[in-house]
Amino acid sequence: EAQVTQNPRYLITVTGKKLTVTCSQNMNHEYMSWYRQDPGLGLRQIYYSMNVEVTDKGDVPEGYKVSRKEKRNFPLILESPSPNQTSLYFCASRKVDAGTDTQYFGPGTRLTVL
Amino acid sequence: GEDVEQSLFLSVREGDSSVINCTYTDSSSTYLYWYKQEPGAGLQLLTYIFSNMDMKQDQRLTVLLNKKDKHLSLRIADTQTGDSAIYFCAEDTTNSGYALNFGKGTSLLVTP
Repeated sequence: EAQVTQNPRYLITVTGKKLTVTCSQNMNHEYMSWYRQDPGLGLRQIYYSMNVEVTDKGDVPEGYKVSRKEKRNFPLILESPSPNQTSLYFCASRKVDAGTDTQYFGPGTRLTVL
Repeated sequence: GEDVEQSLFLSVREGDSSVINCTYTDSSSTYLYWYKQEPGAGLQLLTYIFSNMDMKQDQRLTVLLNKKDKHLSLRIADTQTGDSAIYFCAEDTTNSGYALNFGKGTSLLVTP
């Protein structure tokens, strides 16, 4: 079954304590991305990756890091979380091929930073 | 980027048609998308339309595209209570890579 998995699904942490949210996909998609979803703001892209070792900033990258050491995994790293990073985070993978666009989103990670 | 605009709420009765509207910003967008988000779940890509098309139909879903006005709509025929969800439209952007610019979502409530 094609899927994008994220862990953890829920996390409560404190300001400044480094954390990593993992994302993994099993479709061999080259493109992956991270979004945050906030009430009244919709989805905003944090970072994306076109392929292994190729990453770039989205619209709201401040306070986040990513890595893409292998095609299936795209972890989101918060080196020093702050309360304004309390949000719902989604990882996604995508493949555009011969006019067909295939996208999968993970189930989301709800992060609370106290 | 600039805002993709959607109305925030829509309420319809079961069996009626729902029409969710969206105004996008990038006239160079190649694809325009509709997603569904059910409570507590991630986004599901419902359908998308290529920019050289005016209409796309997929079972109960009809997408209409007016490029001149940069207007996109999603019509759901015979709306069911299971269609209650948040619907997002999105445009692909010409900024870089495969970036998508999302609207803020329309909450659809279907009442019996």
